[in-house]
Amino acid sequence: ETGVTQSPTHLIKTRGQQVTLRCSSQSGHNTVSWYQQALGQGPQFIFQYYREEENGRGNFPPRFSGLQFPNYSSELNVNALELDDSALYLCASSSSATGDLFFGSGTQLSVL
Amino acid sequence: RKEVEQDPGPFNVPEGATVAFNCTYSNSASQSFFWYRQDCRKEPKLLMSVYSSGNEDGRFTAQLNRASQYISLLIRDSKLSDSATYLCVVTAYNQGGKLIFGQGTELSVKP
Repeated sequence: ETGVTQSPTHLIKTRGQQVTLRCSSQSGHNTVSWYQQALGQGPQFIFQYYREEENGRGNFPPRFSGLQFPNYSSELNVNALELDDSALYLCASSSSATGDLFFGSGTQLSVL
Repeated sequence: RKEVEQDPGPFNVPEGATVAFNCTYSNSASQSFFWYRQDCRKEPKLLMSVYSSGNEDGRFTAQLNRASQYISLLIRDSKLSDSATYLCVVTAYNQGGKLIFGQGTELSVKP
């Protein structure tokens, strides 16, 4: 067990809807990153949060947004869902001090 | 061109075989290199870091060639439990330390 928990584990939505995915980081980790993994592909970096501020973003449109809370947990929000948003969404928590990084078990999102 | 490219799979090998995975990266500012293992639709897990001097962990050997921007992973004496997708991962100093993944190479070890 990595101590990084994601919820929900599975989710089904329809096109145009909005979704919020949640991630609780490992104790002592102050950085959270989100990745999207489509079937048959490697994970793609969405963005990273450090001390409640976004400090890096991948090639994803603005309808992908996030938050990090004072306890370092995080949310990923996706608006106006599209079929291509169907993927496994992975959260990774890390420590800027030690460099340790661990992934949560992911949320499988299906958009119909 | 993708930032990190891996051998297309899948690799189907018998138990006991030696298998090698190759990976190339395009950003010469890349600074850290890893191999991750991912079981079917589960989270990636760090298998090993890769150093210029090469490093070995039991049956697994990783090599890095910075001049050629090439990374490899060798698995000796394959076990059934080695069946998984192997992901080549790179971080770059000029990209805020984000992990850049290859598309993964699937390995299936058969009895």
